[in-house]
Amino acid sequence: AQTVTQSQPEMSVQEAETVTLSCTYDTSESDYYLFWYKQPPSRQMILVIRQEAYKQQNATENRFSVNFQKAAKSFSLKISDSQLGDAAMYFCAYSIIQGAQKLVFGQGTRLTINP
Amino acid sequence: DGGITQSPKYLFRKEGQNVTLSCEQNLNHDAMYWYRQDPGQGLRLIYYSQIVNDFQKGDIAEGYSVSREKKESFPLTVTSAQKNPTAFYLCASSNLGTAVNEQFFGPGTRLTVL
Repeated sequence: AQTVTQSQPEMSVQEAETVTLSCTYDTSESDYYLFWYKQPPSRQMILVIRQEAYKQQNATENRFSVNFQKAAKSFSLKISDSQLGDAAMYFCAYSIIQGAQKLVFGQGTRLTINP
Repeated sequence: DGGITQSPKYLFRKEGQNVTLSCEQNLNHDAMYWYRQDPGQGLRLIYYSQIVNDFQKGDIAEGYSVSREKKESFPLTVTSAQKNPTAFYLCASSNLGTAVNEQFFGPGTRLTVL
């Protein structure tokens, strides 16, 4: 069974600084997707960034980028120029490409932004 | 406006009662999902449906039931057999026919057992 592990329950960063959130996963599949979702205090789940496993290039979305290490099964999220609005729970998630594409989530990392 | 709606936002249940959480989407998505979120844990899959009139159990289906009579609707019933139902419940949908593979989430329902 696939598993996703986030080893940092909480992280904090100064506003305008850079922070990296860690995620590791376990799978025997060769093709899959990885995601980072953000859950602010409103509890609405928002997709931050997505990575297809067959793509070697790391995904980037504005201030958000990932470091995808397929052999190490590692998928970290880097947030540059942190803003107060980035404060939220961040969840790493995995899904296979075929079938129902169910998401398997990590336990989450609570990110605090210090002004 | 396209999206997913869940109702009610807050729900209180007495022990022994069944309650039904509503989930509706107007995105014309094929697949719908129900997740449960507990403090300190990630989301766990309860049930999912890839097509009308068909659904499968997820990782924690015991004490729950669903139906998928219409493409846009996927209600979740929390039965009295669910021993610890107090949690935050999230519904999601996705379009399986594309390569995007993104799940869109509703705003959630907070269920509390009194």
